Amino acid sequence: AQSVTQLGSHVSVSEGALVLLRCNYSSSVPPYLFWYVQYPNQGLQLLLKYTTGATLVKGINGFEAEFKKSETSFHLTKPSAHMSDAAEYFCAVLIQGAQKLVFGQGTRLTINP
Amino acid sequence: DTAVSQTPKYLVTQMGNDKSIKCEQNLGHDTMYWYKQDSKKFLKIMFSYNNKELIINETVPNRFSPKSPDKAHLNLHINSLELGDSAVYFCASSQVFGQGGSGANVLTFGAGSRLTVL
Repeated sequence: AQSVTQLGSHVSVSEGALVLLRCNYSSSVPPYLFWYVQYPNQGLQLLLKYTTGATLVKGINGFEAEFKKSETSFHLTKPSAHMSDAAEYFCAVLIQGAQKLVFGQGTRLTINP
Repeated sequence: DTAVSQTPKYLVTQMGNDKSIKCEQNLGHDTMYWYKQDSKKFLKIMFSYNNKELIINETVPNRFSPKSPDKAHLNLHINSLELGDSAVYFCASSQVFGQGGSGANVLTFGAGSRLTVL
């Protein structure tokens, strides 16, 4: 069965520091992977996705993620955190054939001044 | 123009009541979904419809009944509300998964409907 696990329900970094949010997946077929962001009292918004091709994918707001098959990981990074990055971040995998996204449990990112 | 719009945004009601949440999308997508987000932010799919046809029905109590009058609308009706139904319900839409294009496989979410059952 395909699933994702996000390591750390809460990550706190200082403004200007590196952001690293971890996501590991489980899949018996090549996965389609996604990162979504949820700002307070809003719906989810796509940050970036990996389907095929280049394993380093760039998204909005300076975020990027690298698909590493050997590590079954799809970690999200941003070189320099901004206060506006404070939000909940969700990693997700597409269950191919079932036409549905399964989400990880989410990681709350807090940015300290 | 809101791509996926849900109404109402907030809903407070008593146990045992029946309530509905409406969703509309103007993206021309074929597939629509309902997700439930609990108090710990965990997101779980409830239903999906593809062009008015039910394609996903997760283990959801039959008090929850989705209705899709056309492919741009997916409503959620909940009978005999219980305390545990309190959550934020998100509607989403997408092109059919598997099709090519930059928008393929991407869900567009509404802003959510926060249901509180007292």
